[in-house]
Amino acid sequence: AQSVTQPDIHITVSEGASLELRCNYSYGATPYLFWYVQSPGQGLQLLLKYFSGDTLVQGIKGFEAEFKRSQSSFNLRKPSVHWSDAAEYFCAVAPRGGGGADGLTFGKGTHLIIQP
Amino acid sequence: EAGVTQSPTHLIKTRGQQATLRCSPISGHTSVYWYQQALGLGLQFLLWYDEGEERNRGNFPPRFSGRQFPNYSSELNVNALELEDSALYLCASSLGEDAYNEQFFGPGTRLTVL
Repeated sequence: AQSVTQPDIHITVSEGASLELRCNYSYGATPYLFWYVQSPGQGLQLLLKYFSGDTLVQGIKGFEAEFKRSQSSFNLRKPSVHWSDAAEYFCAVAPRGGGGADGLTFGKGTHLIIQP
Repeated sequence: EAGVTQSPTHLIKTRGQQATLRCSPISGHTSVYWYQQALGLGLQFLLWYDEGEERNRGNFPPRFSGRQFPNYSSELNVNALELEDSALYLCASSLGEDAYNEQFFGPGTRLTVL
């Protein structure tokens, strides 16, 4: 069965510092890959997605992610974080070509704390 | 353009009761997904509806059910509520059934079972 691992439950970063959130997946074939953000009391917002092509994808709010097939990873990065980036971040996968049958499979999330 | 809306925002029930949660998708979206976000368990896929039909369900008991109406809105019913059903229930909609169609999420309904 497919699974998504986000090894860091909490990460604390100083405002203005760079950020990297890790995501590894276990899947038979390269799935579609997503990063979502959830602010307190709100639903999920899509930051970026990878389907094919260039392995470095750009998203909203200055985020980017790099797909590495050899490592089954899809890590999220931001060069300089802002206090408003404090939120819960979820990595998710969906089967390629499989329709919406299984929905999205999510990691457990990483809680990002921004220090002033 | 209005986003995905869910009602109610909060719902408090007691064990054994039934809960009904509602979701209105983005206009033009035919697929609706339900997810449960329970403390310690993360986000788990519950149900998928497309074009009025239930297409798939996650690993949840049959007391979790729902339907999709002709206008593509959806409701989730949870019967015989148990304490562990306390969670945030998120609804998402997408243009169609293919997984590359972005899922847009609503703000969720917080269900508390006492």
